[in-house]
Amino acid sequence: AQKVTQAQTEISVVEKEDVTLDCVYETRDTTYYLFWYKQPPSGELVFLIRRNSFDEQNEISGRYSWNFQKSTSSFNFTITASQVVDSAVYFCALSDVIQGAQKLVFGQGTRLTINP
Amino acid sequence: EPEVTQTPSHQVTQMGQEVILRCVPISNHLYFYWYRQILGQKVEFLVSFYNNEISEKSEIFDDQFSVERPDGSNFTLKIRSTKLEDSAMYFCASSDWSYSGATDTQYFGPGTRLTVL
Repeated sequence: AQKVTQAQTEISVVEKEDVTLDCVYETRDTTYYLFWYKQPPSGELVFLIRRNSFDEQNEISGRYSWNFQKSTSSFNFTITASQVVDSAVYFCALSDVIQGAQKLVFGQGTRLTINP
Repeated sequence: EPEVTQTPSHQVTQMGQEVILRCVPISNHLYFYWYRQILGQKVEFLVSFYNNEISEKSEIFDDQFSVERPDGSNFTLKIRSTKLEDSAMYFCASSDWSYSGATDTQYFGPGTRLTVL
C-alpha cells in the first residue's frame, strides 16, 4: 500500500530563515507521481509541484526548491528566506500512474509558522 | 485562470439529514474527485469519477455517499443520512488527461465545511 510520512508535525522559524520540510514515501510502483500542496489559513489546497518518478532532477521555483531522492524515497521541500506569507500547512502526496483517474495519498501535513 | 468552485462554503445540518455538496470542476477537465479532511487531520480520498461512473472509491465512501454529474458542469456529493463523524471539510478536485497517458495534476476547490449537529 502507498504511504506518505511527514514526520515534522510543526515547524516554527523566524522570518528570513531557510526551512526544509521532509517527506518520505512508500510505494511498490515503479512509476508514480509526487506532489506538494499548500493549505493556507483560509483552508484551500494550492498545488505547488508535481514530480514524475523518472525525473530526479531538483527543481527550483523562486524561493522554493524540491529535492527528490529515489534512493531514500524522499521528496523534501525547502523554502529559502522564508516570509510570513509562507505560514501554512504543507502536504506531500503520492499517486500511482495508471490509465484513468488516480487517487492522491496525502501525508499528515507539516504546519509551518513563520514569525516576524 | 480557471478554477474549481464549490458551494456552499459552509453547511450546517442536523444528524440524519441529507446534504448535497456541489462542485463546478474546471471546464475542460475529465476526471473528478472528492476528498475530505477532518479538522486537524490529513486529506483523505473518497471517490474518483470519470465518464459518468465511479472509477475508484475508498472504504469511507459507503452506501450513505453518492456522486453525480447531473449536467455538463456540476459534480455533486450526496450524503444520505449524515452522522456526527461526517463533520469535515470536503474538497472537490478535477484533472485533465496528460500526454503521458495518465491523468494530470489535480486542482482543488476551496472546500465546503460540513458541520453535523
